[in-house]
Amino acid sequence: GAVVSQHPSWVICKSGTSVKIECRSLDFQATTMFWYRQFPKQSLMLMATSNEGSKATYEQGVEKDKFLINHASLTLSTLTVTSAHPEDSSFYICSARDHASSYNSPLHFGNGTRLTVT
Amino acid sequence: AQTVTQSQPEMSVQEAETVTLSCTYDTSENNYYLFWYKQPPSRQMILVIRQEAYKQQNATENRFSVNFQKAAKSFSLKISDSQLGDTAMYFCAFIGVTGYSTLTFGKGTMLLVPP
Repeated sequence: GAVVSQHPSWVICKSGTSVKIECRSLDFQATTMFWYRQFPKQSLMLMATSNEGSKATYEQGVEKDKFLINHASLTLSTLTVTSAHPEDSSFYICSARDHASSYNSPLHFGNGTRLTVT
Repeated sequence: AQTVTQSQPEMSVQEAETVTLSCTYDTSENNYYLFWYKQPPSRQMILVIRQEAYKQQNATENRFSVNFQKAAKSFSLKISDSQLGDTAMYFCAFIGVTGYSTLTFGKGTMLLVPP
């Protein structure tokens, strides 16, 4: 089955530093990837849609300069949390859609990254 | 815009029993897809079942089945013969058929199957 690898699975960083999270589709190509944020006991909140070779589309209220997204290839999207602060601590999940599938095909999710900013 | 509502924050069911999780949605689209995802304590998102709106027949996957009522915009999940491993957050999700639609999740229902 389709596998999405997300790395790292957890990271602790100091306030003011930047953290990069990688999302890779291992056995399929993904022209579109999605980045979600999830607070404890809450649902997934879509942050942005990452499109290969073009700028990401951010949801309302998500700071573009804070959460930098790069989708340079058909198998890799990265989310960089810049100048991280404790309020950025959260669980971040990526998902990808196989470009060979229809747009309403089920998404394949990474295992998530738990970010803690001290 | 689409909305997905899960009105049961938490539920509990004994092993081997049956439980139904409710989900309602609101949309102006006529064609769309509905999903149930499971998120166990590992936090991995797992697809449980999928329903296409233009299909009247309710989807089933082993112990999991749905009751899809298009007119009522209702999409409930029934879990039969509940098992310990069913303990998880369950999210109902919607996606329209327009090309730029994104997946909209409900707030989730925490299902506990106690040992």
